[in-house]
Amino acid sequence: DTGVSQDPRHKITKRGQNVTFRCDPISEHNRLYWYRQTLGQGPEFLTYFQNEAQLEKSRLLSDRFSAERPKGSFSTLEIQRTEQGDSAMYLCASSQPPVLTQYFGPGTRLLVL
Amino acid sequence: TQLLEQSPQFLSIQEGENLTVYCNSSSVFSSLQWYRQEPGEGPVLLVTVVTGGEVKKLKRLTFQFGDARKDSSLHITAAQPGDTGLYLCAGAPYNTDKLIFGTGTRLQVFP
Repeated sequence: DTGVSQDPRHKITKRGQNVTFRCDPISEHNRLYWYRQTLGQGPEFLTYFQNEAQLEKSRLLSDRFSAERPKGSFSTLEIQRTEQGDSAMYLCASSQPPVLTQYFGPGTRLLVL
Repeated sequence: TQLLEQSPQFLSIQEGENLTVYCNSSSVFSSLQWYRQEPGEGPVLLVTVVTGGEVKKLKRLTFQFGDARKDSSLHITAAQPGDTGLYLCAGAPYNTDKLIFGTGTRLQVFP
């Protein structure tokens, strides 16, 4: 069990560029979650998957954000036309029902200049 | 909107002191999790409490889930500099699998 991994750990981009982040959950965890955390705040839910199905999306997830989990294993989160307000730590977590405890990865810190 | 309020927001204490962090909501949760987060890292799970009134101990840390499943507390005995970090509570509502996070308590323990 290697834990949840995320790549890259850090990303600096210019406003208007597209970025994509990857999350590999704990193996055999069928639920995968994305959260966003800004400085001084607790994480906020963005979306989650059960296997390859995206079951819930937050209103925070604007049209510029898209998440996929095509084979029910790793997931990607893409942000199109980045804005300075997108600067944050993007966290991924996974869980395996019936235990709903969520285990978090190290996060991807995004800075939009 | 479900909110979790944590208090205090900041806590600065000397090594050896005891402290309690509170996590309160007007909403009922199926379970509640406590995490500790270091700067630039993801939250690391400390404990999950699922039964109203439940008390769990993890070495010098004692966690309690309120009888009504709306609140929780974290008590640290004889704090050490290694306890320094951001402590987050997170509740799991009944009607969804997402976590609602508290506002966080930033703890600094000085030697």
